[in-house]
Amino acid sequence: NAGVTQTPKFQVLKTGQSMTLQCAQDMNHEYMSWYRQDPGMGLRLIHYSVGAGITDQGEVPNGYNVSRSTTEDFPLRLLSAAPSQTSVYFCASRKGREGFYEQYFGPGTRLTVT
Amino acid sequence: AQSVTQLDSQVPVFEEAPVELRCNYSSSVSVYLFWYVQYPNQGLQLLLKYLSGSTLVKGINGFEAEFNKSQTSFHLRKPSVHISDTAEYFCAVSDNDYKLSFGAGTTVTVRA
Repeated sequence: NAGVTQTPKFQVLKTGQSMTLQCAQDMNHEYMSWYRQDPGMGLRLIHYSVGAGITDQGEVPNGYNVSRSTTEDFPLRLLSAAPSQTSVYFCASRKGREGFYEQYFGPGTRLTVT
Repeated sequence: AQSVTQLDSQVPVFEEAPVELRCNYSSSVSVYLFWYVQYPNQGLQLLLKYLSGSTLVKGINGFEAEFNKSQTSFHLRKPSVHISDTAEYFCAVSDNDYKLSFGAGTTVTVRA
């Protein structure tokens, strides 16, 4: 199993540009989520999905969209990039929606917005 | 809603010395508790978790943590650290509402 994969690893955007961060998992996990990691703030939840066709907002959803058309894929779209979105983005998945399941993380995407 | 406080942002420690990373949480219901480790330029991986039962939980790489319900704490310990334990450590809590909340992280730097 490849686990959770993310592309790209690094990205530089100009303010106002849009892009999609890709995330895929091959473990048939029901639950997937996106986090951003900023120094001194830990990981903050952007959006999550409890199954194909079902998504919901986390604590910092503004400026981001998600969709879940298949169990495997959960892309994150930046609609109009802003410098405040400079961060490291992690995708994660777990077997079920319940909180006792271990989460598996991708390697991250380091995004810089100039 | 739950929240997590990691009481130390940076912990320098000498090789073969013990280390303790402190974590306190707040929640109005029963919780599941986790410690994750992030090595430089990598994603997070699970060190250990508390779901129920024995309050002393053993994890990978010689780490253990103790759940204290009355003090709402879940401190992480290792009796003797190695250079390879240099990493950032995150405490996380879930109360079964799907969301996993993370602390701000503790950076452990192990020196020879």
